[in-house]
Amino acid sequence: SAVISQKPSRDICQRGTSLTIQCQVDSQVTMMFWYRQQPGQSLTLIATANQGSEATYESGFVIDKFPISRPNLTFSTLTVSNMSPEDSSIYLCSVDPGLNNEQFFGPGTRLTVL
Amino acid sequence: GEDVEQSLFLSVREGDSSVINCTYTDSSSTYLYWYKQEPGAGLQLLTYIFSNMDMKQDQRLTVLLNKKDKHLSLRIADTQTGDSAIYFCAESRGQGNLIFGKGTKLSVKP
Repeated sequence: SAVISQKPSRDICQRGTSLTIQCQVDSQVTMMFWYRQQPGQSLTLIATANQGSEATYESGFVIDKFPISRPNLTFSTLTVSNMSPEDSSIYLCSVDPGLNNEQFFGPGTRLTVL
Repeated sequence: GEDVEQSLFLSVREGDSSVINCTYTDSSSTYLYWYKQEPGAGLQLLTYIFSNMDMKQDQRLTVLLNKKDKHLSLRIADTQTGDSAIYFCAESRGQGNLIFGKGTKLSVKP
């Protein structure tokens, strides 16, 4: 399995500001993803973080609001821009190491926007 | 309707078996997953099943897949208080896109 860490684990932010969430994996992985879990809801895929190219966003998510970086095969960042209270969620990084179709998740970043 | 549906709550007594059910809609899904989320923690991959299988057993966990009815279940034998958590069913749409249910909160009473 892959060991995934995220920073910060939680944050409380003011409306209109931006927060960058970091995801670090203990091994090189081709596929990295960002998901959102809104309060009381299931998880929704935001985008696939592609190494060396622009992220691929799912319907309803745009680069201006959720810019993503993937500088190498072990690290990615997700920025939540110009935040509003509706952005209050848990944001989870996920990886597929490419073995056995297993997909692993990080511990999540719990974001509260006031 | 939802792509993946689960009942929201299940309560069992310690030592009993728990059965968590899930229905999905995409017949082309190749893999189906069960994840466990404990309070304040991330998602732990419990098990998964390939769509051409109808059963998979892993220690206390048994996954049953009825592809015709698009029905997936997770059975936990000899349920313990440490099994109390939210269990998510997910279907794979490929390229890392997992479609999750809303989760079933399992409560285990001593």
